[in-house]
Amino acid sequence: KQEVTQIPAALSVPEGENLVLNCSFTDSAIYNLQWFRQDPGKGLTSLLLIQSSQREQTSGRLNASLDKSSGRSTLYIAASQPGDSATYLCAVEDQFYFGTGTSLTVIP
Amino acid sequence: SQTIHQWPATLVQPVGSPLSLECTVEGTSNPNLYWYRQAAGRGLQLLFYSVGIGQISSEVPQNLSASRPQDRQFILSSKKLLLSDSGFYLCAWSVWGGGTDTQYFGPGTRLTVL
Repeated sequence: KQEVTQIPAALSVPEGENLVLNCSFTDSAIYNLQWFRQDPGKGLTSLLLIQSSQREQTSGRLNASLDKSSGRSTLYIAASQPGDSATYLCAVEDQFYFGTGTSLTVIP
Repeated sequence: SQTIHQWPATLVQPVGSPLSLECTVEGTSNPNLYWYRQAAGRGLQLLFYSVGIGQISSEVPQNLSASRPQDRQFILSSKKLLLSDSGFYLCAWSVWGGGTDTQYFGPGTRLTVL
């Protein structure tokens, strides 16, 4: 069974810092990998989707990479802002296996 | 312990036919409930969420509707399916507490509209 782990579980950084969130999975036979953010009391918002044939995706200040062979993905957030504070989840497909999440706090 | 059920697991329907997907949660009370869809090659998209019986919020205009007739039952419906309704549908629940709002997902329904 696929297991998805995220490190760190919680992260607190001052505004303006660049940061990296990590996601690892045990079965490299994945279809897609997605990164989400979850704000308190709200649904998930999909940030980036990386197909299994791709190695990275970029959207604004976000960049996600995928290394299937090593079972890892990273989400890079540049120039962090207080509005980036949320819980970040990764998930591998095609059955959805969600990671444990990283709670990010960006301090003004 | 809490569990979430979704059915059916797989569904193939013709264009124009009705749809009813059901989601039920056990082991918790007054959960927030969510319906998501992932179309082929697209990210997961929130369709509806509910904070209580009869309370439904829609995130995007669409051909679908949702209802919550009971505290732990969430139903996704359509009167007439479109080809664009094809995708993978996920139901989720959460309960706010202790400063967290972790969502727990069902097994999903893969819908193909032909």
